Amino acid sequence: NAGVMQNPRHLVRRRGQEARLRCSPMKGHSHVYWYRQLPEEGLKFMVYLQKENIIDESGMPKERFSAEFPKEGPSILRIQQVVRGDSAAYFCASSPGAGNIQYFGAGTRLSVL
Amino acid sequence: DAKTTQPPSMDCAEGRAANLPCNHSTISGNEYVYWYRQIHSQGPQYIIHGLKNNETNEMASLIITEDRKSSTLILPHATLRDTAVYYCIVRVANFGNEKLTFGTGTRLTIIP
Repeated sequence: NAGVMQNPRHLVRRRGQEARLRCSPMKGHSHVYWYRQLPEEGLKFMVYLQKENIIDESGMPKERFSAEFPKEGPSILRIQQVVRGDSAAYFCASSPGAGNIQYFGAGTRLSVL
Repeated sequence: DAKTTQPPSMDCAEGRAANLPCNHSTISGNEYVYWYRQIHSQGPQYIIHGLKNNETNEMASLIITEDRKSSTLILPHATLRDTAVYYCIVRVANFGNEKLTFGTGTRLTIIP
């Protein structure tokens, strides 16, 4: 049973470009969570999604960031017009349902030049 | 979710038991204690969780005090691969409130 798959592992963007980060949950998991880790800091919750629904986006920046988890395909975290401060590791986790253990992927490291 | 307090760093000799403490004095009755670890820059790895009883699995043991205000994660025979940052998280798990709140954790270094 494959774990949570994130791609790309590393992503380099120039300021003003768009970044798209993908997350495929573990088989049988319908809940997805995105976290961000700035250098030398702990992980910060961004958003929680269930298939086709955003359940909690209290940790998402108000502008430029969006997330989706369509009926088919991976969850996507989209960052428009990236700035240097967006440089971080972005981790995705999945679980089979509410109240269950969250399992994390290896992360995507975004570098903004 | 309740705030947790952990020592910033600890050392442990290889082969010995590593005991990592966590204080969560404001924990509520419906909040679980979870432990994760992050090895270097990898994704966090789930270790164990519990509500009020002690728990054990193939990775570790979790000891929760009777008043639930503190807990200890025990790695029984630490190896070099256990060097990581360990996070103690308290979480009330109900639909719509699923976020894990990571603090700064304890950086555990296993000494050869």
